Amino acid sequence: DQQVKQNSPSLSVQEGRISILNCDYTNSMFDYFLWYKKYPAEGPTFLISISSIKDKNEDGRFTVFLNKSAKHLSLHIVPSQPGDSAVYFCAASAYNQGGKLIFGQGTELSVKP
Amino acid sequence: DTAVSQTPKYLVTQMGNDKSIKCEQNLGHDTMYWYKQDSKKFLKIMFSYNNKELIINETVPNRFSPKSPDKAHLNLHINSLELGDSAVYFCASSQAGVTNTQYFGPGTRLTVL
Repeated sequence: DQQVKQNSPSLSVQEGRISILNCDYTNSMFDYFLWYKKYPAEGPTFLISISSIKDKNEDGRFTVFLNKSAKHLSLHIVPSQPGDSAVYFCAASAYNQGGKLIFGQGTELSVKP
Repeated sequence: DTAVSQTPKYLVTQMGNDKSIKCEQNLGHDTMYWYKQDSKKFLKIMFSYNNKELIINETVPNRFSPKSPDKAHLNLHINSLELGDSAVYFCASSQAGVTNTQYFGPGTRLTVL
């Protein structure tokens, strides 16, 4: 039973364009959502997060949108850069579950020059 | 000044052996975690400790035993290693609170032959 899903295993984008990574979840108790970026042979690096009381959070080139009614969140990267090429994981947690993060299976982003 | 460190980075061993993976964080966090990334790239939580107290124990075989000598360290001992234990193990830490941003170590790739 996969509570967090990233249905696109890969995404290819031209440098300078927008990258949109999507994530769906099923558990309505989730109240905090995060995006992590992972390079090969490294640990996941925290990128940006959003609380369920918000619908948008922005940090530089990265913006996360949350649509609670659709149980959907997305990460927008504008403009995309070759250094953004990595695997992006969506994760979710519920306040009453001891901090456990539930991860999606990841989307591999490739930004081509 | 690495925030979350793990040793060793690579571990190759024979079936039936006992091994340990160490984790240390210098972020002053009070909660630490172990995650397993399997061959399908799913990241799943195994354990969580808060101030040396076990708070999350997912369905993990008894051969896996976490030990937290202090809140900056969380080690993972694995007894009687099996082929299916081959995976990448990530340690993470966070500060308990409303938000739960976890910071990950670089991972330990365990290969059981």
